[in-house]
Amino acid sequence: NAGVMQNPRHLVRRRGQEARLRCSPMKGHSHVYWYRQLPEEGLKFMVYLQKENIIDESGMPKERFSAEFPKEGPSILRIQQVVRGDSAAYFCASSPQGSLNTEAFFGQGTRLTVV
Amino acid sequence: KNQVEQSPQSLIILEGKNCTLQCNYTVSPFSNLRWYKQDTGRGPVSLTIMTFSENTKSNGRYTATLDADTKQSSLHITASQLSDSASYICVVNPSSNTGKLIFGQGTTLQVKP
Repeated sequence: NAGVMQNPRHLVRRRGQEARLRCSPMKGHSHVYWYRQLPEEGLKFMVYLQKENIIDESGMPKERFSAEFPKEGPSILRIQQVVRGDSAAYFCASSPQGSLNTEAFFGQGTRLTVV
Repeated sequence: KNQVEQSPQSLIILEGKNCTLQCNYTVSPFSNLRWYKQDTGRGPVSLTIMTFSENTKSNGRYTATLDADTKQSSLHITASQLSDSASYICVVNPSSNTGKLIFGQGTTLQVKP
């Protein structure tokens, strides 16, 4: 049973380009969470999704950022028109239930660098 | 002000020694508190999860304590090993129905031979 898989591990984008980050949850997990870790800071919640539903996106910037978790395939975090301040590590976690009283397993993260 | 504060920010100890990391939180309501270990360049890995009714939980050489009245938690590492060098993060789940884990900034532990 593979863990949470994120790809790519490293992504370099020029300012103004689009970044797409992928997350495949653990087998049997239908709840996905995205977190962002800015340099020298703790992880910050961005969005919580179930299959085909956004449950809570209160941590997501209002512009340029979007997330989806389709019926088939990985969850995608999409950042349009990237700026230098988007440079960060983006972590995805998954859990079998939405309550988070159960364990949440994190992926290895995608390190986005905007040049 | 951060809702989860950790101390010290960084710590250096010799291999084989014990250490204790501290976490104070102001998050309310509170569902559970977790300690994660994050190696450089890797994702966080859970060490312990405690609900408000639990005072202590162990995972091998790691022992976490929780005082829900004073809103304090600690992580004690016994007989440290070089592989314990990592960031240790205190995380609070404010509610059982949300994905909003609240992370502290972590304590960076370096174990030297």
